[in-house]
Amino acid sequence: EAQVTQNPRYLITVTGKKLTVTCSQNMNHEYMSWYRQDPGLGLRQIYYSMNVEVTDKGDVPEGYKVSRKEKRNFPLILESPSPNQTSLYFCASSVIGAANQPQHFGDGTRLSIL
Amino acid sequence: GDSVTQMEGPVTLSEEAFLTINCTYTATGYPSLFWYVQYPGEGLQLLLKATKADDKGSNKGFEATYRKETTSFHLEKGSVQVSDSAVYFCALSERGSARQLTFGSGTQLTVLP
Repeated sequence: EAQVTQNPRYLITVTGKKLTVTCSQNMNHEYMSWYRQDPGLGLRQIYYSMNVEVTDKGDVPEGYKVSRKEKRNFPLILESPSPNQTSLYFCASSVIGAANQPQHFGDGTRLSIL
Repeated sequence: GDSVTQMEGPVTLSEEAFLTINCTYTATGYPSLFWYVQYPGEGLQLLLKATKADDKGSNKGFEATYRKETTSFHLEKGSVQVSDSAVYFCALSERGSARQLTFGSGTQLTVLP
């Protein structure tokens, strides 16, 4: 089954404690992306990657890091989380080179930073 | 830059009512347009899409027509069901854009029995 898998689904942690949210896709997609969803703001892109070792900033990259060492994985790293990063996070993947191709989303990770 | 504006929510309807969720966009080129749906506790799923002017996307009784003259892509359904309760996102994708998707703010729909 084609899917994007995020872990964990829920996490409550404290300010300053490094955390990583993993994302893996099994569709051999080149493009992967992280979004955060906040009430009234829709989805805002944090980082995206067009292929292995190729990453770039989205609209709200501050406070986040990513890496793309393998095609299937695109972890999101919060080196020193702060309360304003409390949000619902989604990973997505798609084929590249065609604007009419949909993105496939994971089920989301709800982070609470105390 | 590209942007998508959706009607403010939340929207509450009775079962079998007619639904319209407005969406307008701003883009420099000729984008593809999408509606995504997010059911409670789940990620976004593609509902329908249209890739050029006057195209009509349709799925599960929902329809939206790509109107270039009014830069709009309004979502409609003739008779909503309780199971349609979800958050609906309008989005665009511009050819040649590395950023892929630009989303609207989402519209929460609740359908009452």
